[in-house]
Amino acid sequence: EVQLVESGGGLVQPGRSLKLSCAASGFTFSNYYMAWVRQAPKKGLEWVATISTSGSRTYYPDSVKGRFTISRDNAKSSLYLQMNSLKSEDTATYYCARLTMDAWGQGASVTVSS
Amino acid sequence: DVVLTQTPPTLSATIGQSVSISCRSSQSLLHSNGNTYLNWLLQRPGQPPQLLIYLVSRLESGVPNRFSGSGSGTDFTLKISGVEAEDLGVYYCVQSTHAPYTFGAGTKLELK
Repeated sequence: EVQLVESGGGLVQPGRSLKLSCAASGFTFSNYYMAWVRQAPKKGLEWVATISTSGSRTYYPDSVKGRFTISRDNAKSSLYLQMNSLKSEDTATYYCARLTMDAWGQGASVTVSS
Repeated sequence: DVVLTQTPPTLSATIGQSVSISCRSSQSLLHSNGNTYLNWLLQRPGQPPQLLIYLVSRLESGVPNRFSGSGSGTDFTLKISGVEAEDLGVYYCVQSTHAPYTFGAGTKLELK
């Protein structure tokens, strides 16, 4: 069974950092492009970051470029999202997903507040 | 960025009713490789999104065949032929032809 399990969410002050992790199982992780997608409370979905199979190519929208870094460890079947200089508008549930959109984690809640 | 406009924002239906959701793109979603990367997702309350349709009209494994997708270029439609209670939630179209990938704002399907 394909599983994606996020961890690392929580409450963080504005300007601070947080790192999310996503543990993958049930499929050959290294064969898939991966992504982080977020959803602010009561709002729609937003792509946050994508990464190629090897990790050599990444993509970010302007809203997080320069602050967020996506990475992966294929040996550990794990995906990461390093979030720096957090803002209140980054408050959201962050989903780990295969870029094919056919597998999603349950999400990790991130709240940026003083 | 590609803007996806979904209509209607809210849809009220009775069980068994057939409904359609429109997704219009600000530019063609036809990729240079000949594919059109337009998917449909369903997010049930308190759940992550679930893939229903990919590449405009291909039904994801395990998804009931009352769901169907159609369209081309900039105009796409998701149809549910006979709504069931488990279909309630928010439907999103999403494009992955052009970076950055973008989602529609969603259509909430409610029971009438």
